[in-house]
Amino acid sequence: AQSVTQLDSQVPVFEEAPVELRCNYSSSVSVYLFWYVQYPNQGLQLLLKYLSGSTLVESINGFEAEFNKSQTSFHLRKPSVHISDTAEYFCAVGSQGAQKLVFGQGTRLTINP
Amino acid sequence: DAGITQSPRHKVTETGTPVTLRCHQTENHRYMYWYRQDPGHGLRLIHYSYGVKDTDKGEVSDGYSVSRSKTEDFLLTLESATSSQTSVYFCAIQASGDYGYTFGSGTRLTVV
Repeated sequence: AQSVTQLDSQVPVFEEAPVELRCNYSSSVSVYLFWYVQYPNQGLQLLLKYLSGSTLVESINGFEAEFNKSQTSFHLRKPSVHISDTAEYFCAVGSQGAQKLVFGQGTRLTINP
Repeated sequence: DAGITQSPRHKVTETGTPVTLRCHQTENHRYMYWYRQDPGHGLRLIHYSYGVKDTDKGEVSDGYSVSRSKTEDFLLTLESATSSQTSVYFCAIQASGDYGYTFGSGTRLTVV
């Protein structure tokens, strides 16, 4: 069975500071990994995904995540955050043969001016 | 524009009444899911469907039923609403061979 652990339920940072949101997974098979973002009072939107190939994936708004198989991690990073990045972020894992995604509990990112 | 809509967006209902939430897609995707989102619990899977009339239970299915008579519609019914079912409900769709989901905007349900 797969599982996802987001190690921080809340992360407060100052504007223009770097941030890392941590995600670890467990799975016995090859995985696909996702980060979704949920802005206040909205649904979840796909931020970035790793399916295969390069282990470093990027989003259009400056976030990146690196698939680390040995550490079973898929941490999300941004070198300089903006107020508009305030949201809840969900890590999710899928695998071949298992159509459903398994989601982490979410990390609430709060940006302080 | 995402091809998935949920209705209603907000609903207040009384304890003991049946409630049906609708998820409608225009993408012709095979897989559809219902989740509930609660503080401290993240997203929890209620039921899912892998085709017309093919559904299965998720981790928190008690008190809920679903139906999928057409590819485009996936209905979630609370048979007799309870206060513990106050939540935000999200529908998601997924194409065959694609491992990502597209989510609807959610339904905020309050049971009083």
